[in-house]
Amino acid sequence: EAGVTQFPSHSVIEKGQTVTLRCDPISGHDNLYWYRRVMGKEIKFLLHFVKESKQDESGMPNNRFLAERTGGTYSTLKVQPAELEDSGVYFCASSQASGFASTYEQYFGPGTRLTVT
Amino acid sequence: GQNIDQPTEMTATEGAIVQINCTYQTSGFNGLFWYQQHAGEAPTFLSYNVLDGLEEKGRFSSFLSRSKGYSYLLLKELQMKDSASYLCAVRDRGNTGFQKLVFGTGTRLLVSP
Repeated sequence: EAGVTQFPSHSVIEKGQTVTLRCDPISGHDNLYWYRRVMGKEIKFLLHFVKESKQDESGMPNNRFLAERTGGTYSTLKVQPAELEDSGVYFCASSQASGFASTYEQYFGPGTRLTVT
Repeated sequence: GQNIDQPTEMTATEGAIVQINCTYQTSGFNGLFWYQQHAGEAPTFLSYNVLDGLEEKGRFSSFLSRSKGYSYLLLKELQMKDSASYLCAVRDRGNTGFQKLVFGTGTRLLVSP
């Protein structure tokens, strides 16, 4: 079974440019999460999809970030325009269930390392 | 607020036992996870605790005390390949009732021969 995949693995862009990150969750996982790790800090939650619906986007830093999951399969995270402080590793994770009683763990992808210069 | 603390770095020798502690304060606790992450790779699931007590899985065990807001990960018979970062993460209910993980900064474990 394929795991969570992310593309690209690395991206280097200039301040002001646009970048789109892609995540393909494990097949059959309705729940998809985006997280970010800024250098030296902890991994922080960005948002959570259930199928194509955004359930929790409380972690999105500002309106320069736009996440989509059309059709409830893969997801994209667009940063436009990118700023220096957006540099970090962006992780995607997926899980089978997310309800209060569920015990399903989140499976993580390898991350996309974004560098804004 | 939410706060998760764990040591930044630990060292141990091959064959030894090491305990990595994690203390937490969250508003909607629903379980604690430990993940292992090798440099440049995805965090991989190690263990899950939602009730007080010890969960054992091979060389790895994890303990939880909800009243104390405390957990530890115990690694026995250390191997060189265990050198990695160990992430403590609390599942927090959040505002919507769904689950998100709140992470500590991770503990970098270095196993030496």
